[in-house]
Amino acid sequence: DTEVTQTPKHLVMGMTNKKSLKCEQHMGHRAMYWYKQKAKKPPELMFVYSYEKLSINESVPSRFSPECPNSSLLNLHLHALQPEDSALYLCASTSGSTYEQYFGPGTRLTVT
Amino acid sequence: GEDVEQSLFLSVREGDSSVINCTYTDSSSTYLYWYKQEPGAGLQLLTYIFSNMDMKQDQRLTVLLNKKDKHLSLRIADTQTGDSAIYFCAVNTGFQKLVFGTGTRLLVSP
Repeated sequence: DTEVTQTPKHLVMGMTNKKSLKCEQHMGHRAMYWYKQKAKKPPELMFVYSYEKLSINESVPSRFSPECPNSSLLNLHLHALQPEDSALYLCASTSGSTYEQYFGPGTRLTVT
Repeated sequence: GEDVEQSLFLSVREGDSSVINCTYTDSSSTYLYWYKQEPGAGLQLLTYIFSNMDMKQDQRLTVLLNKKDKHLSLRIADTQTGDSAIYFCAVNTGFQKLVFGTGTRLLVSP
């Protein structure tokens, strides 16, 4: 089983709203990732959690706040977003042996 | 930092072979990957190759790696309309990070 799940599938939020994206994997992977992807572009790394600790923050604005409550779950808390934050947000996890990453289906976020 | 480049677009007829190319700059990369992304979906891992290999075959997919020229290719045999998608190569630059190529849009016509 190489499944990563993400909820919600779609999200529309205003610039003053607070919302959260959720990601779950049950493959026993110990590293989990958040990426942002704009149309027709490759994914851009945002955050990496390794063994439930934040190990990489790619200088992401503080209006994005990641959380890793346990080894299977990863959240991304959103607050005071801008319209340019509208994108597909992808979660991934890796086994760590050959470092291949498995991606979820993504959350399509629209900020109005 | 690592730079990974791909051609933007490839158009083939159903039943033909497709070859998608990728060049990278960091010769210390250990693993190289191919991902497929259909519209509105996440990335699907197709295959990967270790840097000490020069070829890997997996059913219709053949990966060739020329480490000297830092060139990676993905050949899809007997291409089908369901293969139409964007294909990304990715290079491992350290145990936690991948650098993705610019993506190649493959269009397969009947």
